[in-house]
Amino acid sequence: GESVGLHLPTLSVQEGDNSIINCAYSNSASDYFIWYKQESGKGPQFIIDIRSNMDKRQGQRVTVLLNKTVKHLSLQIAATQPGDSAVYFCAENFRNQGGKLIFGQGTELSVKP
Amino acid sequence: GAGVSQSPSNKVTEKGKDVELRCDPISGHTALYWYRQSLGQGLEFLIYFQGNSAPDKSGLPSDRFSAERTGGSVSTLTIQRTQQEDSAVYLCASSFLAGLQYFGPGTRLTVL
Repeated sequence: GESVGLHLPTLSVQEGDNSIINCAYSNSASDYFIWYKQESGKGPQFIIDIRSNMDKRQGQRVTVLLNKTVKHLSLQIAATQPGDSAVYFCAENFRNQGGKLIFGQGTELSVKP
Repeated sequence: GAGVSQSPSNKVTEKGKDVELRCDPISGHTALYWYRQSLGQGLEFLIYFQGNSAPDKSGLPSDRFSAERTGGSVSTLTIQRTQQEDSAVYLCASSFLAGLQYFGPGTRLTVL
């Protein structure tokens, strides 16, 4: 979905716990989604992607779930570490529009040691 | 290899002045994108290039904003007569065709 608002949602977890970050999107025709991680003062960094013909994809310590029925994505981080502290964005990739990305609002993940 | 680079990393300017922001994409990447990130906001698409042409300029906020790309490589985003609401981090990304985008570190623009 589009990004609106002055304050990012925040998720605070204990080191070692699992984290779940959620994202809603608006375009039912979207077929490719990407999660990015942004640390302070840096550009977004690719984490994992998923195409609409899948409902789950796993990476190293991360899993993305896609529910097309309710237009919802989630990013699960296993055994969260202090280095995971960052802002996480989901993005829709509009491949028929040159691949431009439409980003969600973002969630700030804070990991307590 | 080198990633996407942007310059300057920080720019402070006075209201009404023009600024130029530069992006050097990853070598061989055909597509280049500009995004803006205002304080506490998500990332907002501005414009993208395929080669030297810009098929989609729909995100440019006003006619004070323009961008060009030369030689299928470096791109410059120009903001004329800057306003305080232009203060933001301007991010550039590049990709091969419309594939995975790699982002630069951004230019933080502050308009006083």
